[in-house]
Amino acid sequence: AQSVTQLDSQVPVFEEAPVELRCNYSSSVSVYLFWYVQYPNQGLQLLLKYLSGSTLVKGINGFEAEFNKSQTSFHLRKPSVHISDTAEYFCAVIFNFGNEKLTFGTGTRLTIIP
Amino acid sequence: GAVVSQHPSRVICKSGTSVKIECRSLDFQATTMFWYRQFPKKSLMLMATSNEGSKATYEQGVEKDKFLINHASLTLSTLTVTSAHPEDSSFYICSARDSGGRFFGQETQYFGPGTRLLVL
Repeated sequence: AQSVTQLDSQVPVFEEAPVELRCNYSSSVSVYLFWYVQYPNQGLQLLLKYLSGSTLVKGINGFEAEFNKSQTSFHLRKPSVHISDTAEYFCAVIFNFGNEKLTFGTGTRLTIIP
Repeated sequence: GAVVSQHPSRVICKSGTSVKIECRSLDFQATTMFWYRQFPKKSLMLMATSNEGSKATYEQGVEKDKFLINHASLTLSTLTVTSAHPEDSSFYICSARDSGGRFFGQETQYFGPGTRLLVL
């Protein structure tokens, strides 16, 4: 079955430290990859996406992600986090370009420690 | 651009009543909208795909008679939870795809802020 795995349910990080949030998916065919952020009691906001081309994708708020086809991963990184980055982060994948349904990971709660 | 709104943002209702949630794309047309349900500390689960002018496509295990979806126009989809019960309490989120692909392409979904439903 096609699935998206976010291994870390919670990640605490000190302010101004770097962070990496991991995402792996199960598929041997081409996919579209997304990272969304959800602030408390709000909907999801698109951070970045990978469709094709350069494997390093830059998004909003200083985040970037790298697509690794051989490892079927799409890890999210930021070199220096801020208090305002505290939120839930979801990795999502479109496995079927025909219906373009998003399959979400279980989310990673990023907590920034002052 | 690419703003999706939901109304109401939160609603409390009595068991057995019906609740309607609206999802609107404010600055783009969306032939396709999606309805998700999010449980506390859980991921989003797709409930159904709503297509303008046609019947919604429900995911396996979702009761179509309980969760009525109407996509009446290119900017509005509604989800009606009929005869709501406490187990229907959840956070409901809609998303919409820009039919014209003007923002980030048609594969990108834009999410509403969500509606928190509490059934007493």
